[in-house]
Amino acid sequence: QKEVEQDPGPLSVPEGAIVSLNCTYSNSAFQYFMWYRQYSRKGPELLMYTYSSGNKEDGRFTAQVDKSSKYISLFIRDSQPSDSATYLCAMSYARFQKLVFGTGTRLLVSP
Amino acid sequence: GAVVSQHPSWVICKSGTSVKIECRSLDFQATTMFWYRQFPKQSLMLMATSNEGSKATYEQGVEKDKFLINHASLTLSTLTVTSAHPEDSSFYICSPGTSASYEQYFGPGTRLTVT
Repeated sequence: QKEVEQDPGPLSVPEGAIVSLNCTYSNSAFQYFMWYRQYSRKGPELLMYTYSSGNKEDGRFTAQVDKSSKYISLFIRDSQPSDSATYLCAMSYARFQKLVFGTGTRLLVSP
Repeated sequence: GAVVSQHPSWVICKSGTSVKIECRSLDFQATTMFWYRQFPKQSLMLMATSNEGSKATYEQGVEKDKFLINHASLTLSTLTVTSAHPEDSSFYICSPGTSASYEQYFGPGTRLTVT
């Protein structure tokens, strides 16, 4: 079993839709949770950073962490074609430690 | 966010040759450098961690004599792929870090193709 599971997609939605991206993990020791966006052949771009359980909102993006269920989510409101990319969840046991990544979900937002 | 550069962005080399990849943190001092590798349609996998002025720590299955990491300064780290083979073709991405920041940022990546 992988430490972090993420549906690879692709997930296709029309412009303006609300997108829900999710990851599950097996190790309850994870404390820090991140979402990255990666365009083809580019480095990952940090979108959201969350410590422990709870919600965090930044513009059109909302990150949720439910440690009791070992489940994290990223919601994108009013999705745009420019949001089309691969979204990677990542987590670590402690601050400033190596990240364990999910496989990434490819999102396609059609105009 | 932090500004990180990598050079080159894309390199093609012949099997048996060595390639050096540079990673620079442009607006902060990186006490630690993480080097990741990403194969097509796969996620990022950590290769090694290095602290400035110290030897790198390699993940299980990563050959330390093949992937030489130098972190001689707080703004520059290099990864040298020695005697490259086609199976080393991948996307190499650095992630400089500092204990002063919670977030971890990544470089733009270097695409290595070994023919």
